[in-house]
Amino acid sequence: DAGVTQSPTHLIKTRGQHVTLRCSPISGHKSVSWYQQVLGQGPQFIFQYYEKEERGRGNFPDRFSARQFPNYSSELNVNALLLGDSALYLCASSPGTATNEKLFFGSGTQLSVL
Amino acid sequence: QKEVEQNSGPLSVPEGAIASLNCTYSDRGSQSFFWYRQYSGKSPELIMFIYSNGDKEDGRFTAQLNKASQYVSLLIRDSQPSDSATYLCAAGGSQGNLIFGKGTKLSVKP
Repeated sequence: DAGVTQSPTHLIKTRGQHVTLRCSPISGHKSVSWYQQVLGQGPQFIFQYYEKEERGRGNFPDRFSARQFPNYSSELNVNALLLGDSALYLCASSPGTATNEKLFFGSGTQLSVL
Repeated sequence: QKEVEQNSGPLSVPEGAIASLNCTYSDRGSQSFFWYRQYSGKSPELIMFIYSNGDKEDGRFTAQLNKASQYVSLLIRDSQPSDSATYLCAAGGSQGNLIFGKGTKLSVKP
């Protein structure tokens, strides 16, 4: 079975632009989470979606938004890009939303903002 | 602010030795704990999880949890150069999310 797939793998944008990142979860998993990992740091939680509804949100500005589709795939949108948004964006899937769920990560999208 | 703290390292051990990685967490409400391995330029890979006090063994890996001390550790026996990576400790958050530490970089020398 395919794991978590993310696209694109790399992206270069300039300040002020917007970006859309995409994720398909493991087959059978209904929850998708997004994390931002800045170089040298651990992943930081951005959003969790389950059954198309937002179930959790981390401490990120409103420039960040996401949605989940009926097939459980998800998009992360970032508007008005800043240099500090340069990071590895990770999508993780899990069967549900319990606090002991194991998360499985995709290979990530490396975003560079110039 | 719920936090997970790890020594960033680098931790250097000779091949065949035991590597000991540690982390502490601030939220006493956390019930689940995870260790992820991340090779340079790659995404995190789940290697161990533990929910109960005590030890949990899987092959060369042993996870240890002490909820009273809010302390989690990972032991890697018979360390191999291929174990060289950054190890991320994570605690389960209240939103179904994970709270990660900054990671400990492990280097296993041949």
